[in-house]
Amino acid sequence: EVQLVESGGGLVQPGRSMKLSCAASGFTFSDYYMAWVRQAPKKGLEWVASISYEGSSTYYGDSVKGRFTISRDNAKSTLYLQMNSLRSEDTATYYCARHAEGIPFDYWGQGVMVTVSS
Amino acid sequence: DIQMTQSPASLSASLGETVSIECLASEDIYSNLAWYQQKPGKSPQLLIYYASSLQDGVPSRFSGSESGTQYSLEINSLQPEDEGDYFCQQSYKFPLTFGSGTKLEIK
Repeated sequence: EVQLVESGGGLVQPGRSMKLSCAASGFTFSDYYMAWVRQAPKKGLEWVASISYEGSSTYYGDSVKGRFTISRDNAKSTLYLQMNSLRSEDTATYYCARHAEGIPFDYWGQGVMVTVSS
Repeated sequence: DIQMTQSPASLSASLGETVSIECLASEDIYSNLAWYQQKPGKSPQLLIYYASSLQDGVPSRFSGSESGTQYSLEINSLQPEDEGDYFCQQSYKFPLTFGSGTKLEIK
């Protein structure tokens, strides 16, 4: 059974940093792209970032480019999102999701809440 | 960036009815269009991929179609469990983009 379990969220002050993790199981992690998708309270879905199979290619949404870094450890089947210079508008539930090149998100984690507030 | 214009923003329908949700892509995405359902407090679930392919385990009352850059999700014989939010998403190229969502209420 495919499982994606996010961790590392919580309350953080504006301008500070936070790192999210996503532990994957039930599939060969290195066979898939992985992504972070977020959803602000009562809002729609926003793709944040994706990373290729071995991590050689990364892609970012304009709203996080230069502040967030996506990475992966295939030996640990774990995806990461390093978030720096956090802003109030980064407040959202962050989902880890599996996809492939040209293939949509077929499995999602349960999500982790990040609240940026003083 | 590819813009996905989704409509309507909300709709209300009765049990057993058929509803349709539309997404218009700002450029050709060559059928790389997915539909997701999200219930309150839950993660999104993939319903349809490549515009019209049904994801495993999804009831056959859900179907997808396309006409040029216009994509549609149709739900036949509405059931109570179909209430929720629906989103389209293009997976043709980065940045990946979603439609703004449709809130479906079952009367």
